[in-house]
Amino acid sequence: EDQVTQSPEALRLQEGESSSLNCSYTVSGLRGLFWYRQDPGKGPEFLFTLYSAGEEKEKERLKATLTKKESFLHITAPKPEDSATYLCAGLSGGYNKLIFGAGTRLAVHP
Amino acid sequence: DARVTQTPRDKVTEMGQEVTMRCQPILGHNTVFWYRQTMMQGLELLAYFRNRAPLDDSGMPKDRFSAEMPDATLATLKIQPSEPRDSAVYFCASGLDQGLQFFGPGTRLTVL
Repeated sequence: EDQVTQSPEALRLQEGESSSLNCSYTVSGLRGLFWYRQDPGKGPEFLFTLYSAGEEKEKERLKATLTKKESFLHITAPKPEDSATYLCAGLSGGYNKLIFGAGTRLAVHP
Repeated sequence: DARVTQTPRDKVTEMGQEVTMRCQPILGHNTVFWYRQTMMQGLELLAYFRNRAPLDDSGMPKDRFSAEMPDATLATLKIQPSEPRDSAVYFCASGLDQGLQFFGPGTRLTVL
């Protein structure tokens, strides 16, 4: 069964304290690994797509990486505005269906 | 600025009533998804349309939920009759075949 697991469930950081979020996946014929950001009361907002092991993408303080079994979202020198829930999702090889993890709730305190 | 729109944003209803949620996908997108999000279950896929045809509704309780796309600019999700356990945030998303999905702001449903 296709599955995406995120850890930790919640993470509290001080402003400027870098860290990483983990997303491990077992998705048959993975066609892409997606990262979304979700703010309270809003829909998930697209951040990155990674397609092959070794690929990396960056956006401001965020960098996403992908291996054959997991993806990491690295946050460098986070700011309070980076506080949100971060969701990862695997695109199954069968058809156009995203398998979402439960998310990591990130809180960055000044 | 193209985005997915959903109405209503908030809905409070009583058990047994019919609820209809509407979604306008981004113009030109050929796939539409309905998700339900709760604290306990996270994001669950309810239904999936491609070129207005339903491809997968296995995540949807068949006896009370129905999803349709009467035209390319409108997707609907209906619950009849509604139950308190249906209380959740319902998201619509649209995309193209490459997999990337753009989400709407959601409809927060409360069934009393």
